[in-house]
Amino acid sequence: QQQVKQSPQSLIVQKGGISIINCAYENTAFDYFPWYQQFPGKGPALLIAIRPDVSEKKEGRFTISFNKSAKQFSLHIMDSQPGDSATYFCAASKEEYGNKLVFGAGTILRVKS
Amino acid sequence: DAGVTQSPTHLIKTRGQQVTLRCSPKSGHDTVSWYQQALGQGPQFIFQYYEEEERQRGNFPDRFSGHQFPNYSSELNVNALLLGDSALYLCASSLGPYAGGPDTQYFGPGTRLTVL
Repeated sequence: QQQVKQSPQSLIVQKGGISIINCAYENTAFDYFPWYQQFPGKGPALLIAIRPDVSEKKEGRFTISFNKSAKQFSLHIMDSQPGDSATYFCAASKEEYGNKLVFGAGTILRVKS
Repeated sequence: DAGVTQSPTHLIKTRGQQVTLRCSPKSGHDTVSWYQQALGQGPQFIFQYYEEEERQRGNFPDRFSGHQFPNYSSELNVNALLLGDSALYLCASSLGPYAGGPDTQYFGPGTRLTVL
């Protein structure tokens, strides 16, 4: 019930294309859903996050779509660039202070130039 | 403004040894969480410290222990190292209980531990 399932495991997209990564969760108590980007040898960096009271959040080229009834959320990267090549993790937590993040297994994105 | 810092960057130990990893939180943050990230996997929550006390703990054995100091920095200790403890250990810091809003966590670069 604490799991977050992420797909696909890896993704290859042409430069300028749209990258889409999907996550699903079971625990309906989760109410904070961040996405992290991780480059090799670095720690995860917060990219964008959403709360379940909205269905979509956009920041620049990055958009989160959230479907509360389906318990799914996704990350869309518009106009994908080679510099976006990284591992992306979805995560979930409760909006209580200090609650742990439960991460998906990650998606390795490669953007071909 | 310095972000989350961790030391050392890399560490090599042998089975049965003990290791201590260190973390300094982002300026203004008083809550520190530790995660273990095995190769090719997502980070797994180990525990969290606030006001020098362990507030939450993940599914890790007692060989994993920690400490938080009055300046909010933190240590992760692992005793009786096993080969399976080889991983990237990540520290994340966040604002305390009175900040309001979601507990956004900011990660450090990690310490790569190799157990031989």
